[in-house]
Amino acid sequence: AQKVTQAQTEISVVEKEDVTLDCVYETRDTTYYLFWYKQPPSGELVFLIRRNSFDEQNEISGRYSWNFQKSTSSFNFTITASQVVDSAVYFCALSEAGVWNQGGKLIFGQGTELSVKP
Amino acid sequence: IAGITQAPTSQILAAGRRMTLRCTQDMRHNAMYWYRQDLGLGLRLIHYSNTAGTTGKGEVPDGYSVSRANTDDFPLTLASAVPSQTSVYFCASSDREGRYTFGSGTRLTVV
Repeated sequence: AQKVTQAQTEISVVEKEDVTLDCVYETRDTTYYLFWYKQPPSGELVFLIRRNSFDEQNEISGRYSWNFQKSTSSFNFTITASQVVDSAVYFCALSEAGVWNQGGKLIFGQGTELSVKP
Repeated sequence: IAGITQAPTSQILAAGRRMTLRCTQDMRHNAMYWYRQDLGLGLRLIHYSNTAGTTGKGEVPDGYSVSRANTDDFPLTLASAVPSQTSVYFCASSDREGRYTFGSGTRLTVV
């Protein structure tokens, strides 16, 4: 069965600190996708990144970076020089890569609530 | 603006009442989903639909039903609401390349 674990329930940092959000997943599929979403206090889900299981290259987007390691089944997310606006709940998710028009269900982790204090 | 529209935005419902949460997309995505979000549990799949005319059960389907009469609409019905169904409900769809779009959510309180 597929499973996503975000062991950190809450993290609190001071502005400008770097912070890493952990994500560990389980799947028997050889092809799958991993996602990160941000949920700010307003409640909507904001897509951050999608990573194919065949692509283990790390990715950087501004202050955000992602480290994907198949050997440890992890897909960690780092925010560099955190800002108050980064305060949100962050979700890691896993999806089987089947035939998309037949529905590939997203499995979410429990979420990590990040609080960035000024 | 292309996307998913959910209605209502929020609702307070008496226990035992019937309620339908509406979800409409304008992207012609085949696959649609209903999730509920509860504190500490993340988002859990209630029901899904691979294409119009078909539906399937997710992780937490009990007490909920869905229908998919056409591509655009995917309503979620609570036949007889109970307090444990108090939650935030998200509708989503995915395209054939696995890109997901989420609605803004419906906050439901059952009292």
